[in-house]
Amino acid sequence: DSGVTQTPKHLITATGQRVTLRCSPRSGDLSVYWYQQSLDQGLQFLIQYYNGEERAKGNILERFSAQQFPDLHSELNLSSLELGDSALYFCASSVDPQGAGYTFGSGTRLTVV
Amino acid sequence: AQSVTQPDIHITVSEGASLELRCNYSYGATPYLFWYVQSPGQGLQLLLKYFSGDTLVQGIKGFEAEFKRSQSSFNLRKPSVHWSDAAEYFCAVGANSGGSNYKLTFGKGTLLTVNP
Repeated sequence: DSGVTQTPKHLITATGQRVTLRCSPRSGDLSVYWYQQSLDQGLQFLIQYYNGEERAKGNILERFSAQQFPDLHSELNLSSLELGDSALYFCASSVDPQGAGYTFGSGTRLTVV
Repeated sequence: AQSVTQPDIHITVSEGASLELRCNYSYGATPYLFWYVQSPGQGLQLLLKYFSGDTLVQGIKGFEAEFKRSQSSFNLRKPSVHWSDAAEYFCAVGANSGGSNYKLTFGKGTLLTVNP
């Protein structure tokens, strides 16, 4: 157990739907990062939050959004889902904004049918 | 922008043999470098990291990596591979994405198969 908790572990949904992925960072970590892992794109950085504020954005689609709450857990919202959004979504946390060695959760596998 | 290249998509070694996984990076400044391992259905586990100092870095599970600035490389090595090392290995470079914030850019990964 890495200390980073992601729920749910698996999610199957239909095209056009909206889902929310949840991440609880390791105790004491203030930074949360979201990554998407797919066969063709590999691991792609989506977005980073530090202590509730957005800090960096990567290849995140406009249909996707995220936030970090006062208790530091984070949610990634994916809407108007397409088949191509099927992927593993990882959350990682680190104690500082520099991300000196992330700790990853075990991921949420999203399947869009 | 930073990038990472792992030239070998798939490597097969025999148990007990030595291992070297290649990683080349592109980044204008001194990079932070990482190796992660991912077992099937699992998240990524940090094996080792390089920030500064000694260019030979020791990690968990008997792995080590050497930072060679002149070659822009950070190759992962293990003297004797165990069957449990079969997994996918990712090299990553940490780069400043603005201000004091860093994001990791990952290579495509190298899948390691270990033959008995």
